[in-house]
Amino acid sequence: EAAVTQSPRSKVAVTGGKVTLSCHQTNNHDYMYWYRQDTGHGLRLIHYSYVADSTEKGDIPDGYKASRPSQENFSLILELASLSQTAVYFCASSDRLGGLNQDTQYFGPGTRLLVL
Amino acid sequence: QQKVQQSPESLIVPEGGMASLNCTSSDRNVDYFWWYRQHSGKSPKMLMSIFSNGEKEEGRFTVHLNKASLHTSLHIRDSQPSDSALYLCAARANYNVLYFGSGTKLTVEP
Repeated sequence: EAAVTQSPRSKVAVTGGKVTLSCHQTNNHDYMYWYRQDTGHGLRLIHYSYVADSTEKGDIPDGYKASRPSQENFSLILELASLSQTAVYFCASSDRLGGLNQDTQYFGPGTRLLVL
Repeated sequence: QQKVQQSPESLIVPEGGMASLNCTSSDRNVDYFWWYRQHSGKSPKMLMSIFSNGEKEEGRFTVHLNKASLHTSLHIRDSQPSDSALYLCAARANYNVLYFGSGTKLTVEP
């Protein structure tokens, strides 16, 4: 099965501080995504990328930046963390090589972020 | 407005019963649907996908799709306590970008 790892798994940050969440995939997938999930709710897309050194905005990009330095790595950056950014963040990857699993997304274990 | 709406928000079924979950999209550009399952404290995992009109069955799970109405449903027969989870519907409206609904929380009571 596809492998996506995230670090850290949990983090406590202070309001106004900088937070960087990292994601690494070994699936050779071109596409990577960052989502946030608020307790008991669905996933909202923050940023995504389909090639190294390029990122795209998702539905809720405000307050977040993304970086894709290589095919395997995708980071989410909160320059000035705020209380409202307390959530669980999931990274995912997918490919478009065709077949039954085309566009199926494989998720990492998540990072639980608490901003105080 | 959310592109994907799920109902009900929560559902309780007895062990051995049938669970029926619904998902509709308001975006006419949607073409493919997925169902993901997320156990408490875990990451979402793809359960089933459906791209064509009709029905698809895998074990105790059946998915229906009506592309004209952009409605999909997931049915779980002989529900087990291990099926208790948040079920997320996802739809593709742009290449490789999935839009997720808010989910249905399913509880199967022994």
